[in-house]
Amino acid sequence: DQQVKQNSPSLSVQEGRISILNCDYTNSMFDYFLWYKKYPAEGPTFLISISSIKDKNEDGRFTVFLNKSAKHLSLHIVPSQPGDSAVYFCAASGGNAGNMLTFGGGTRLMVKP
Amino acid sequence: EAGVTQSPTHLIKTRGQQATLRCSPISGHTSVYWYQQALGLGLQFLLWYDEGEERNRGNFPPRFSGRQFPNYSSELNVNALELEDSALYLCASSGGLAGVMFTDTQYFGPGTRLTVL
Repeated sequence: DQQVKQNSPSLSVQEGRISILNCDYTNSMFDYFLWYKKYPAEGPTFLISISSIKDKNEDGRFTVFLNKSAKHLSLHIVPSQPGDSAVYFCAASGGNAGNMLTFGGGTRLMVKP
Repeated sequence: EAGVTQSPTHLIKTRGQQATLRCSPISGHTSVYWYQQALGLGLQFLLWYDEGEERNRGNFPPRFSGRQFPNYSSELNVNALELEDSALYLCASSGGLAGVMFTDTQYFGPGTRLTVL
C-alpha cells in the first residue's frame, strides 16, 4: 500500500522553463510535507516543506503547493537550471505515522541547457 | 555548522556476518532516524530514536536493531546479514520531541553503502 506516490518517474525540461513535479498521497492524517533532492549514492538534501495549515510555501526558485482536498502537492522550480538535474522525492509525515517520513518513489528531473 | 555525519562510507560484509553503522546528528538535534534505500526501491523507514528511546520502527525484521547514546549519536546493527540487505543506509536527524530546536524537518547524512557478498 503506497501512501505517497510520484506517478512520473522522469521529467525533461529546457533550461529557463518551469519544472513541475507532482505528488499524491492517500493518508489524510499526513500534516507535514517535504521535498528532497537526491544525487546517486548521496543522502537527500532538504529543499522545502509545507504544513497542512498552508496551501503554498515559497523559497527562492522553489514553490510548493498543497491541495488537501485532492491530496496532492506539487513542486515548482522557476527558472529551471541544469544544476537542478537530480531525483526529487516528496515525503509526508504526521498522524499515526508520527515523525516517520513516508517517501514517494521519486521523479528524475533532467534540465537541458 | 556540521551536518549529519555517517561512518563508514562503504562497508563490505559476507552473508551471516553483522554490520554496525554509525551516525552523528546535527548539534542540538535529539531525534535520529534510519532509512534504507535498496537498489531500485524507494527510501524505507527503519527506526526512529529520540532521547535514547526507540520511538518507532518500520516493517523490518528484528535483526535490524540500534541504539541511541547519551550524546544523541546512534548505531544501526544488522545481524545475520542477507544478500538483500545490500543497500544505502541513510541517517537523518531532527529537533526531536523535547529538543530545544524542535523541527519536523529531517536532515540527512551522506549514507553508508553496505554490500553483502
